[in-house]
Amino acid sequence: AQSVTQLDSQVPVFEEAPVELRCNYSSSVSVYLFWYVQYPNQGLQLLLKYLSGSTLVKGINGFEAEFNKSQTSFHLRKPSVHISDTAEYFCAVSGTSYGKLTFGQGTILTVHP
Amino acid sequence: SQTIHQWPATLVQPVGSPLSLECTVEGTSNPNLYWYRQAAGRGLQLLFYSVGIGQISSEVPQNLSASRPQDRQFILSSKKLLLSDSGFYLCAWRAGTALSGANVLTFGAGSRLTVL
Repeated sequence: AQSVTQLDSQVPVFEEAPVELRCNYSSSVSVYLFWYVQYPNQGLQLLLKYLSGSTLVKGINGFEAEFNKSQTSFHLRKPSVHISDTAEYFCAVSGTSYGKLTFGQGTILTVHP
Repeated sequence: SQTIHQWPATLVQPVGSPLSLECTVEGTSNPNLYWYRQAAGRGLQLLFYSVGIGQISSEVPQNLSASRPQDRQFILSSKKLLLSDSGFYLCAWRAGTALSGANVLTFGAGSRLTVL
């Protein structure tokens, strides 16, 4: 079985400051890792994914994440946030079987001017 | 290109009434299809998934059911809604290959259900 823990339910930050949203996972098999973003009353949009290879992956809107196998983490980072980054962010893990995606509880990022 | 449609976008229903939410995918064939529910403060919970016509797997016991009458159509239903069925329902698809887990899950815009 797989599980995902997002360590912070809410992260407030000022505009142009750096941000890190933390994600830890557990799984007994090799996994694929994803970060999604959800704006109010919308579906989820893929930010980035880790499948294999380089542990540092870059996504859309200036976000990046680093896969750390020893710490079973996949933290999301952005060096300078904008007001428009205010949204809820979900970390997710998928095994190979049928592609079922297990999500964390979400982190609400609020960027203040 | 592929697109996914969900309807209705918003629905208000009384307790005990039936439910039907529809999801269709265009531009692909034999997709894996998923229904997720997002309740306030509870993240996303996988309800059902389907790897082919008529093939439905349920992830959690509940008051809902799903059907896949056509390759690119996925329907979420209930005969009698409960208050606890309120939430934001998201349909999603991904390419159904041998290693489906590596394929990106693409979501619809969601259907917000309020049961009164």
